[in-house]
Amino acid sequence: GAVVSQHPSWVICKSGTSVKIECRSLDFQATTMFWYRQFPKQSLMLMATSNEGSKATYEQGVEKDKFLINHASLTLSTLTVTSAHPEDSSFYICSARDAGSGDTGELFFGEGSRLTVL
Amino acid sequence: AQSVAQPEDQVNVAEGNPLTVKCTYSVSGNPYLFWYVQYPNRGLQFLLKYITGDNLVKGSYGFEAEFNKSQTSFHLKKPSALVSDSALYFCALYNFNKFYFGSGTKLNVKP
Repeated sequence: GAVVSQHPSWVICKSGTSVKIECRSLDFQATTMFWYRQFPKQSLMLMATSNEGSKATYEQGVEKDKFLINHASLTLSTLTVTSAHPEDSSFYICSARDAGSGDTGELFFGEGSRLTVL
Repeated sequence: AQSVAQPEDQVNVAEGNPLTVKCTYSVSGNPYLFWYVQYPNRGLQFLLKYITGDNLVKGSYGFEAEFNKSQTSFHLKKPSALVSDSALYFCALYNFNKFYFGSGTKLNVKP
């Protein structure tokens, strides 16, 4: 199946710093990528939909200036957590669909990034 | 409104016994339904999907799911559980360019 690579897997940072997480589709093109946040023992919360070449669409309650999303190419989307604080500590997961799969294609997920803000 | 419900937070089953993880959905229009599995500190892995056609869908690792339109259900099943099947399972619904995930069900398979 298709592979989505997410990096870094783990990151620890000091409060007030910014952290960038990369999401790459390795063997397919993804016009749309999705960023999720998962709290312990909870389901995935959709944060935003990343569209190649245009602005991301954020879900209600997600701060656009806090979570910057850039989708510069058909294989790369980045999430930057700006001025991170301990409450931003979480597991962030990206996912993508093959651009050629239409409405019936499944999502392929990255391995997730565990962010810990001290 | 679109939604997915997984009524069980946890399912316990003995190795070798059949397992069922329940999922019900609500959608306007035809449902596209998916099952994913998540191991600790990992992303989600695709198991199977229902788009149209045969109500019994077969997927990875011996899993299958039965689509039941009248009961709006899409339960995940496996005839004989393995200890390695222990993980978190998510049912998902796709509609209007969004995926809606259930709350997840933790499957515990005991030797």
